[in-house]
Amino acid sequence: AQSVSQHNHHVILSEAASLELGCNYSYGGTVNLFWYVQYPGQHLQLLLKYFSGDPLVKGIKGFEAEFIKSKFSFNLRKPSVQWSDTAEYFCAVNAVGYQKVTFGTGTKLQVIP
Amino acid sequence: SAVISQKPSRDICQRGTSLTIQCQVDSQVTMMFWYRQQPGQSLTLIATANQGSEATYESGFVIDKFPISRPNLTFSTLTVSNMSPEDSSIYLCSAEYRANGYTFGSGTRLTVV
Repeated sequence: AQSVSQHNHHVILSEAASLELGCNYSYGGTVNLFWYVQYPGQHLQLLLKYFSGDPLVKGIKGFEAEFIKSKFSFNLRKPSVQWSDTAEYFCAVNAVGYQKVTFGTGTKLQVIP
Repeated sequence: SAVISQKPSRDICQRGTSLTIQCQVDSQVTMMFWYRQQPGQSLTLIATANQGSEATYESGFVIDKFPISRPNLTFSTLTVSNMSPEDSSIYLCSAEYRANGYTFGSGTRLTVV
């Protein structure tokens, strides 16, 4: 069975600091990978996704993530965070050929102005 | 991108009663999914709903407690039956859009008193 680990539960950064949120998954086969964001009081939104091809994927709002297959990782990065990035971030994995999407426990990001 | 409308957005219910949550998708989709997000936790898949067949439930969830309907390719309902305070949670509907990953509704915040 697939599983996802997000090791950072709560991250506090100052504006303009760089961000990297860790995500590791466990599954031996081919996967699709996602990062979702949930702003306070809002629903989940897709930030970026990896299906195949270039392992460095760029998403909305300046976010990017790199798929490193050998490390089973899909870390989320942003070079300079803004106060408006305060939200909860979820990594998710879906084994190719299966419909089930498994979510990590989420990372709450707080950006201090 | 795809739009999912979910209602009600929130409700406060008495224990022992049932609540039906509706999910409307703006285009035809094969698979629809129902998740639960308990306070402070990640998303847990309840079941997968295919049109024309019975829903497939994840471990720990049963049809008697969470009956699901999927009458057509754009609509699904989830009923939370015989509610108890432990059912207080956010319930989310989701659908797979191949080009955009999985899209989520805005959620139904359920409080059982």
